[in-house]
This record gives sequence, C-alpha cells and structure tokens, in this order.
Amino acid sequence: NAGVTQTPKFRVLKTGQSMTLLCAQDMNHEYMYWYRQDPGMGLRLIHYSVGEGTTAKGEVPDGYNVSRLKKQNFLLGLESAAPSQTSVYFCASRRVTTEAFFGQGTRLTVV
Amino acid sequence: GENVEQHPSTLSVQEGDSAVIKCTYSDSASNYFPWYKQELGKRPQLIIDIRSNVGEKKDQRIAVTLNKTAKHFSLHITETQPEDSAVYFCAAAGADSWGKFQFGAGTQVVVTP
Repeated sequence: NAGVTQTPKFRVLKTGQSMTLLCAQDMNHEYMYWYRQDPGMGLRLIHYSVGEGTTAKGEVPDGYNVSRLKKQNFLLGLESAAPSQTSVYFCASRRVTTEAFFGQGTRLTVV
Repeated sequence: GENVEQHPSTLSVQEGDSAVIKCTYSDSASNYFPWYKQELGKRPQLIIDIRSNVGEKKDQRIAVTLNKTAKHFSLHITETQPEDSAVYFCAAAGADSWGKFQFGAGTQVVVTP
C-alpha cells in the first residue's frame, strides 16, 4: 500500500516549456487535490476533483490544467511554464469528510 | 466557499510551556476540522481531527476544541518539546463545500530549550 505517490520528485524547466505532474493513489479515494506551497507560505489549492471525470478550480488555477481520467490518477499540467510557477507541489487524496493523505511533493524550478 | 483564517502566523514558546493556535471558518455547514503538522522538507501529516458533533478531542499532549456557534476551533499543545517545532495547518471541510479542502495560512511554531 503506497498511499499517494507523486512523479517526478524534482524538475527544472525552462520558461515556456510544458510538463505534467502525475499523482497516483491506491486507497480508492474519491477526492483528489493539487496544492502549491511557496517558501514561508501555506498550501494554496490549485485544482481539485470530486470523482473520475470531474475537476474544479481552486484558489490559484491560472496557468494550470488538470485531468482525472481514472479514479486513481490526477494529472497537473503546465502548458507554458513561468518563473512564478517555481514552487513545491503537493497532491492529496481523501474520502468524503475524512483526513487527506499527501504525496511527498514535487519541487519544480522554472528558469 | 469555505474561508479559513489561522492565527498566529508564528509562535515562539519555551520548552514545557503550552501553545495554542486558533482558526476560524466561514461555512456553517463545515463538519470536519483536521490539523496537520509539516516538518521542514516533508509532507503535511495529520496529527488530530475533530467532527462537528464533538466539542473537544485529546490525544496525549495534543487537544482540539471546537465552538460551532462562533465558528472557530483551536489546537492546544501542552508540555511542548523541541520536536514540536514545525508548521501547523488547520482546515475545514463539509458537504456544502463540495469537496473543496482549503487550509489556513499556517503557524510556524518554534520551541526553544
């Protein structure tokens, strides 16, 4: 039972490049989330999903897209990376009104 | 949607003293209130949670209290130890928020020996 796994753990992108972050959970959770965490700041919700095939915007969705084609996977895409997207990205999953389990984080640097 | 405010942003305490962090929420339909601890360079992990049908919950040196009328909840850490130094986050969730799970801004707790 791996819990929540994020791929990759680290990545350096050039401005304008695109990439996809993968989040996979093996707990059969309905809800999945993508957050970003900047130094000294809290966890800001980017997008979330309440079930397979559904997605919704969080607090800071601009510049990101997501997809949830399978219940266990939640993908976060950056179409044209910008230095302002340099951050640590956390994925999380949970059942309805239960605790959220977090992945180990992805450290992304855009140069 | 739900809005969670957390105070203070930083908290320095001497080892052995108590620490209290407070959060307020806006959505009266929220019914689940977890607290997470994040150590430097690691993922947030749940330390305690409370549901709206309970006013207080304890787990060893950690306790959480909930005041539904005032829409606020608090984390209490007694007999603090250096290993309690971390960032603590609160969150609120409920059916009306449709799965949205937003955190407070976090509290940096520093326990000095």
